Amino acid sequence: GAGVSQSPRYKVAKRGQDVALRCDPISGHVSLFWYQQALGQGPEFLTYFQNEAQLDKSGLPSDRFFAERPEGSVSTLKIQRTQQEDSAVYLCASSLRSGERTEAFFGQGTRLTVV
Amino acid sequence: AQSVTQLDSQVPVFEEAPVELRCNYSSSVSVYLFWYVQYPNQGLQLLLKYLSGSTLVKGINGFEAEFNKSQTSFHLRKPSVHISDTAEYFCAVIWTDSWGKLQFGAGTQVVVTP
Repeated sequence: GAGVSQSPRYKVAKRGQDVALRCDPISGHVSLFWYQQALGQGPEFLTYFQNEAQLDKSGLPSDRFFAERPEGSVSTLKIQRTQQEDSAVYLCASSLRSGERTEAFFGQGTRLTVV
Repeated sequence: AQSVTQLDSQVPVFEEAPVELRCNYSSSVSVYLFWYVQYPNQGLQLLLKYLSGSTLVKGINGFEAEFNKSQTSFHLRKPSVHISDTAEYFCAVIWTDSWGKLQFGAGTQVVVTP
């Protein structure tokens, strides 16, 4: 597709359930970022991939969060044993190259609600 | 710690009036500056960016922003707003040597009324 695609758009999980969120970046984009946006706040960085390599995971809030991009294209963010504080919109962004001067394109996000 | 501050959480404005959204960042080291807009239930769309060169940057939908290094600010302006400009606006910074990851402010909700 022409843009960054995320699925599902909405996910309701019971506390303790595992979830997997998918991101399809723009074809050929080297860089891929995940952000978490809590209600009423700005997005916060979670993790960064350059192709298949996860170069920065400093923003992952706990070891329950895990991300992968095994073939350097599609990425999955997995949250194990979900907690209520995990409720947020999870945004994926991709950019053509690595580095600071390259525009990032965002998907529409996955809204996760943990009940 | 590095920070991005948007001074107004909500800005009400009448249609066809001007609007200014304020953004300050914490460091005077080299940075790249961005403004994004987010419509309800949508992702983020880039309005404009400052990478280098002229400190006055023009973006889409009639928005512009001015980079002021001495005041570490990057305020967003539009001379005449439309109802369709109702949205959340985020200022963001990329610090150098940070892979291009964005650090966002908390956002400013702009509500345009007739």
